[in-house]
Amino acid sequence: DIQMTQSPSSLSASVGDRVIITCRASHDVNYWLAWYQQKPGEAPNLLISAASSRQTGVPSRFFGGGSGTQFTLTISSLQPEDFATYYCQQSNDFPHTFGQGTKVEVK
Amino acid sequence: QEQLVESGGASVRPGGSLRLSCAASGFTFNNYYMAWVRQAPGKGLEWISYISPNGDNIYYEDSLRGRFAVSRDNANNAIHLQMKSLRAEDTGVFYCARVLEHRYKSYSGISYTLKSYFYMDVWGRGTTVTVSS
Repeated sequence: DIQMTQSPSSLSASVGDRVIITCRASHDVNYWLAWYQQKPGEAPNLLISAASSRQTGVPSRFFGGGSGTQFTLTISSLQPEDFATYYCQQSNDFPHTFGQGTKVEVK
Repeated sequence: QEQLVESGGASVRPGGSLRLSCAASGFTFNNYYMAWVRQAPGKGLEWISYISPNGDNIYYEDSLRGRFAVSRDNANNAIHLQMKSLRAEDTGVFYCARVLEHRYKSYSGISYTLKSYFYMDVWGRGTTVTVSS
């Protein structure tokens, strides 16, 4: 199975900060990586597919990048509604494993 | 509007069985792969399974194959997750999700293979399973 490792596991930030979350794959997953946002008590919400393709309705402050084994999710200017947990998921090989999550908390 | 509603979650004893369902509406159900994902309390997301639009192809997390079985009923726009021999570690929220499949050509020299990548774009709110004695 492909292992997905996110870093950091948690971070504290303030509104307006630039936040970068990294996701590393144990094997090459090409561009086939998605990012999801999950708020407490809610279902996950798809932000980005194919490493960098922002979903309709996702604010432009969210950027996805990378390929192969290293990917990033950047939030250019953190907003109050962005405090949440973020997960990466690869879909290059079954099982389509998730990273362990990165919790973005208020500083 | 696309909507997924899970049901069937309950408290069960270890070793018991449970069948979860997911009802879909607002989209052409039999055009899409569907997925089950779970989340243990306070933990991350765990991919369980995908089922293809006609149900012919089903992919499982290897450790769950044999205890979990996914099926779909396209006539009633629903998928199901049959779980048996449940354990305490199966406790959690179970989500169903719609899966988008994108096909692409993977080239090797001048020849190529058709492959797919997937992502989950519509999610239900989840149903809770508690396995405890």
